[in-house]
Amino acid sequence: KQEVTQIPAALSVPEGENLVLNCSFTDSAIYNLQWFRQDPGKGLTSLLLIQSSQREQTSGRLNASLDKSSGRSTLYIAASQPGDSATYLCAVQGAQKLVFGQGTRLTINP
Amino acid sequence: EAGVVQSPRYKIIEKKQPVAFWCNPISGHNTLYWYRQNLGQGPELLIRYENEEAVDDSQLPKDRFSAERLKGVDSTLKIQPAELGDSAVYLCASRRWDEQFFGPGTRLTVL
Repeated sequence: KQEVTQIPAALSVPEGENLVLNCSFTDSAIYNLQWFRQDPGKGLTSLLLIQSSQREQTSGRLNASLDKSSGRSTLYIAASQPGDSATYLCAVQGAQKLVFGQGTRLTINP
Repeated sequence: EAGVVQSPRYKIIEKKQPVAFWCNPISGHNTLYWYRQNLGQGPELLIRYENEEAVDDSQLPKDRFSAERLKGVDSTLKIQPAELGDSAVYLCASRRWDEQFFGPGTRLTVL
């Protein structure tokens, strides 16, 4: 059974810092990995999707990497801003089913 | 394009009452999902539809939960009767290629 773990559960950093969020999964037989953002009381917004054959994806200040063999992904956020404050969730796709981690709650302090 | 639409956004009911949630996926998306998200956790799949067919409902508590997608477009998830432990956010998503798109969710509170 696939299990997805995100560390840390919560992170608070000053504005302007670069930061890394971690995601690990137990079964490397995945089709892709997706990073989402969730604001309080809102649904999930897709940030980046990495296919199993890819190593990384970039969108603006966000960069996500995937190491399938070791079961790990990282989300790198450059030059963090208060508007980046949210919960970040990673999810791995296998056989049509997304399995989510519990999320990292990120707070960027002005 | 319009996103995934869900209603209501919030629902408060007494235990043992019935409740229903509605979802309209993004136009043209044949795959529709219902998830439940407990506080501080990631979403967990309840049911997946391909067009009007439920192809994965293994996680749906069938004694009290039911779902339908009659015309392969919008979908309804029902709970009858609701229990205190059903308090959660119920999310609907639809899929294009490999990417899932989520609605805003319905926050259910059972008193």
